[in-house]
Amino acid sequence: DGGITQSPKYLFRKEGQNVTLSCEQNLNHDAMYWYRQDPGQGLRLIYYSQIVNDFQKGDIAEGYSVSREKKESFPLTVTSAQKNPTAFYLCASQPLAGQQGTQYFGPGTRLLVL
Amino acid sequence: QQQVKQSPQSLIVQKGGIPIINCAYENTAFDYFPWYQQFPGKGPALLIAIRPDVSEKKEGRFTISFNKSAKQFSLHIMDSQPGDSATYFCAASKGAQKLVFGQGTRLTINP
Repeated sequence: DGGITQSPKYLFRKEGQNVTLSCEQNLNHDAMYWYRQDPGQGLRLIYYSQIVNDFQKGDIAEGYSVSREKKESFPLTVTSAQKNPTAFYLCASQPLAGQQGTQYFGPGTRLLVL
Repeated sequence: QQQVKQSPQSLIVQKGGIPIINCAYENTAFDYFPWYQQFPGKGPALLIAIRPDVSEKKEGRFTISFNKSAKQFSLHIMDSQPGDSATYFCAASKGAQKLVFGQGTRLTINP
């Protein structure tokens, strides 16, 4: 059963705590993305990676960090420097050959601050 | 020049009506224009996509109209149903580069 999985579905963060959101894909896609979505808002790009061990900042990278040690995994860490982390976080993947531009999204993780 | 402007922000239509969502872009190098549908609490799902060599594409009740000279494209939903109530995003990209998304339209279809 191919697809993109994100875990956990809900995540609670305490003040000053770093938390990590998981994103895994078994689609053999080259590129992976992290977006943030605030209520009633559009999608804002946090980080993206087109190849293992390489990633680029998106429009709102401050307070976030990522790693891409394996092709199928792209975890996002929300650090204590991110002062307003409450949002819906979406991971996406994209094949770079063939279906140009088509991104496939995971089910999302909702992050809440205690 | 990388922006995609989407309108309206919200739209309410009676069942059976034809909602129309519009998007405009500036970058003439864009060559792929997808639409995504997102239900509350879920990730966006690809609905339909078009390339600039065609002016219209239909998939079921969903149609994309594309006007290359005006740099605009739009989504029409025929015979709309309450189950079509969702947020719709247009997007654009050049080659295999990352997508540029519009701000989204919250569509409500009243029974």
